[in-house]
Amino acid sequence: DIQMTQSPSSLSASVGDRVTITCQASQGIDNYLNWYQQKPGKAPKLLIYAASNLETGVPSRFSGSGSGTYFTLIISSLQPEDIATYYCQHYESLPITFGQGTRLEIK
Amino acid sequence: QITLKESGPTLVKPTQTLTLTCTFSGFSLSTNGMGVGWIRQPPGKALEWLALIYWDDDKRYSRSLKSRLTVTKESSKNQAVLIMNNMDPVDTATYYCAHTLDGSGIRFDCWGQGILVTVSS
Repeated sequence: DIQMTQSPSSLSASVGDRVTITCQASQGIDNYLNWYQQKPGKAPKLLIYAASNLETGVPSRFSGSGSGTYFTLIISSLQPEDIATYYCQHYESLPITFGQGTRLEIK
Repeated sequence: QITLKESGPTLVKPTQTLTLTCTFSGFSLSTNGMGVGWIRQPPGKALEWLALIYWDDDKRYSRSLKSRLTVTKESSKNQAVLIMNNMDPVDTATYYCAHTLDGSGIRFDCWGQGILVTVSS
C-alpha cells in the first residue's frame, strides 16, 4: 500500500499568513492526489483534485502543486474560516489511502 | 445538486453485522460513470477508505477489510449499502458515503453528513 505522510501534523498561523502543508507519498503517484478540508464535526470537503485543480466553488487562495512523491497545499492568505484539518489522498492504485491530517489553528 | 445521507444503527454489539444505507439524490447509480465510496473515521483519527461501487456493479474493497465487507446498490431506490460483519470495538467510527465519478480519478466530490457507529456490548 502507498503511504501518505503529511507535515506538519499541526500548525498555528495568523490571519493573512501564507500557509503551506506538504504531503509525501511512499512511491511515485504521478499527479493522482487530492486535498480535502474537514471542519470540526463536519464531513470532508474536496478542495483540490489531480494535485493542482481547484474544485468548483473553492476560494482561489487555495492552490495545490506537485507530482511524483511530493505535494503541497498552499493557502495564500489565511482566513478565520480556514480553521480545519486538511487531508491528502492518493488514487494512483488501490487501496486509496489518506494522509494522517494536518490540523490548522489560528494563532 | 448531489446530496447523500447515511442511515443505520448507531450502536452495535461486538461480533454483530453492521448494515449502513446511503440514500442519495442528484445522480443515479445506473448512469454511466457514477460511483459511491465508503470511508470511515475513528474518533480523533484520520480517514480510512473502505469500499467503492460503480454504476456497472464494479466493486472494490480495502485490502485489509475485504473479508468483512460487502457493498451493493439498489439503483431504483437511489441507495448504496455497506455491510460489515464481525464488528469489533476498533470499528467504532463515523462512516461516510461519498459520490465519485469513474474516469475522472477517484475523488470524492460530495459527502454525506456521516453516521457515528459505536461498537460496544
